[in-house]
Amino acid sequence: GEDVEQSLFLSVREGDSSVINCTYTDSSSTYLYWYKQEPGAGLQLLTYIFSNMDMKQDQRLTVLLNKKDKHLSLRIADTQTGDSAIYFCAETVYSSASKIIFGSGTRLSIRP
Amino acid sequence: NAGVTQTPKFQVLKTGQSMTLQCAQDMNHEYMSWYRQDPGMGLRLIHYSVGAGITDQGEVPNGYNVSRSTTEDFPLRLLSAAPSQTSVYFCASAVNRGEGQPQHFGDGTRLSIL
Repeated sequence: GEDVEQSLFLSVREGDSSVINCTYTDSSSTYLYWYKQEPGAGLQLLTYIFSNMDMKQDQRLTVLLNKKDKHLSLRIADTQTGDSAIYFCAETVYSSASKIIFGSGTRLSIRP
Repeated sequence: NAGVTQTPKFQVLKTGQSMTLQCAQDMNHEYMSWYRQDPGMGLRLIHYSVGAGITDQGEVPNGYNVSRSTTEDFPLRLLSAAPSQTSVYFCASAVNRGEGQPQHFGDGTRLSIL
């Protein structure tokens, strides 16, 4: 079946790196996404990676994809208080380009 | 640009009442969708539309209706509200249904059914 799993909480110290992990089950997924949700707001697309890539870097964000293990991670370097949010992993289901399956979200909190 | 606008932001209903959640986008996007967000369950797709006059069901369509008479608007109707429909509802749009197209989300409607 189609499922995306994430841990619910992550706490890191300001200035450290944050690593948010995600596993998915659909081996035919073509695009995998990371969205950020700040309190009281909708989801904002942070980055996405195509399934034929292993890594994508965008400023402080690094996405790693391990297709063999169906594991996706988002690394945020030099974590700041403004990074506090819920981060959602999502995959596109190959059988329907319009269907995106979301994980339950990881709440990232920053310690001073 | 306003992006995706949802109204109302908050609503309380009694069981059995009906209402329409409004969603409008000003980006001329073909693709629009409705999700509900429940604690610990991520976002689940209710209905989606790939263009004016075309709608289809998502994962959890029961109890909801949609229509797409214009490119800009995609209202979600609750026919007879039930407590299980208490949730946060998000509307999203994208240029088209192609993979990799980023979805733009509204700020959500927080709906409570008593």
